[in-house]
Amino acid sequence: QVQLVQSGAEVKKPGASVKVSCKASGYTFTSYYMHWVRQAPGQGLEWMGIINPSGGSTSYAQKLQGRVTMTRDTSTSTVYMELSSLRSEDTAVYYCARSPTGVDTAMVLDYWGQGTLVTVSS
Amino acid sequence: DIQMTQSPSSVSASVGDRVTITCRASQGISSWLAWYQQKPGKAPKLLIYAASSLQSGVPSRFSGSGSGTDFTLTISSLQPEDFATYYCQQANSFPPTFGQGTKLEIK
Repeated sequence: QVQLVQSGAEVKKPGASVKVSCKASGYTFTSYYMHWVRQAPGQGLEWMGIINPSGGSTSYAQKLQGRVTMTRDTSTSTVYMELSSLRSEDTAVYYCARSPTGVDTAMVLDYWGQGTLVTVSS
Repeated sequence: DIQMTQSPSSVSASVGDRVTITCRASQGISSWLAWYQQKPGKAPKLLIYAASSLQSGVPSRFSGSGSGTDFTLTISSLQPEDFATYYCQQANSFPPTFGQGTKLEIK
C-alpha cells in the first residue's frame, strides 16, 4: 500500500533552517510527482512547491522563492523540503503529497504524508 | 493565481441530512477541480477529482458537479464520520490553490 512517512516535529529559532523528509513506499517512486503543502495553526492549505523525483526538477510558490529547496534521493525513495530564514509565520504543519504525472492529474494530490509540525519560536 | 472561494464557511447539519458545499473559481478552470476532506489532526484525504470523479474507496454518498467557475460537493446522507472540514482545490494551472475550507459541524 502507498505510504508517505514524514520526519518528526521540529522546533527552530527565527533565522534558522529546517529540513523535513518524506519517505515513500508501496509504489514506483519516480513515476509520481511530490508536492509540499503547509497549514498554519487553524488556517487553510497553502501549496509550497513540486518536485519530479525522476529528474529532480522543481517549481516553487512565488512567495517562497529563494527560501525553499526541494530535493530527492532515489536510492531511498525520499524527498526533502528545506526552508531557510525561518520566521514565526512559518509555524505550520508541513505535508508531502503525491500526484500522478498525467497532464490532467499532475495537481491532484491522491496520497498525503502524516504531517510534520514545525514551530518557529525564540 | 486563481482564487478559490467556498461557501458557506461553516454549516451545521444532522446525521441523515443532505448537504451541499459550493466552490467558485476566479476564472474558468474547466473541470479541473478536486475536493478534500480533513479531520482534526489528520492529513487531507482526496474525495473527488476532475470535478465529479470519485476517488477509489470513497463512499458513493459523496458526489461532485460543475465546470467553468462554479462547483458543488454534495453529501447525500450525512454519516457521523463525515463531520470534518472540506476544501476545494483548482488543478487547472500552477500554482494549485485551495479554497478557505468549509467546516461541517453536528447540529
